[in-house]
Amino acid sequence: DGGITQSPKYLFRKEGQNVTLSCEQNLNHDAMYWYRQDPGQGLRLIYYSQIVNDFQKGDIAEGYSVSREKKESFPLTVTSAQKNPTAFYLCASIRQGMANTEAFFGQGTRLTVV
Amino acid sequence: AQSVTQLGSHVSVSEGALVLLRCNYSSSVPPYLFWYVQYPNQGLQLLLKYTSAATLVKGINGFEAEFKKSETSFHLTKPSAHMSDAAEYFCAVSPNNAGNMLTFGGGTRLMVKP
Repeated sequence: DGGITQSPKYLFRKEGQNVTLSCEQNLNHDAMYWYRQDPGQGLRLIYYSQIVNDFQKGDIAEGYSVSREKKESFPLTVTSAQKNPTAFYLCASIRQGMANTEAFFGQGTRLTVV
Repeated sequence: AQSVTQLGSHVSVSEGALVLLRCNYSSSVPPYLFWYVQYPNQGLQLLLKYTSAATLVKGINGFEAEFKKSETSFHLTKPSAHMSDAAEYFCAVSPNNAGNMLTFGGGTRLMVKP
């Protein structure tokens, strides 16, 4: 079955560490997105990529980094510069250029700083 | 620029009662509008979408939404709530029909009382 997979589901990070969240899709979608979700704040865009080897900052990119070396993969690194990383992270993909299409979401990764 | 406002971060209804979740949008171009549902610790699932074909849109699980341009609204309704409808609901707007650059509202948590 086609879909979008995030791993791990739960992740614990010590202060000062970098951690990488995985996002893989086999939907052949061009565009991929990372969102951060905090209680009562909806979803905020961190980074997005509309084509391989290219990506743009979203609204809250500080303290995060991404890469897009393959169409199916869009990993997110939460760096030590991110002062408040505890949150639920959601990855999404969209097939561009198609009418009536929507975003498909992974199941999320819950990151906790310990 | 585009934005979404969901009125009421929490809505409580009795089982069998009408569900009404409010969404107002702002967009400089004709919008495409989406409602997503999120169950605890999961990703978002599309409920329905408006892409200018019809102003009354029917989605999954008995939900529907009506696009009202004069009121810049896209409220979500269901005639009779079921316990399984308890979840968080997000309204989102996009400036084009490919669903790119989704902007989300803050979400509304729906609680269903027996």
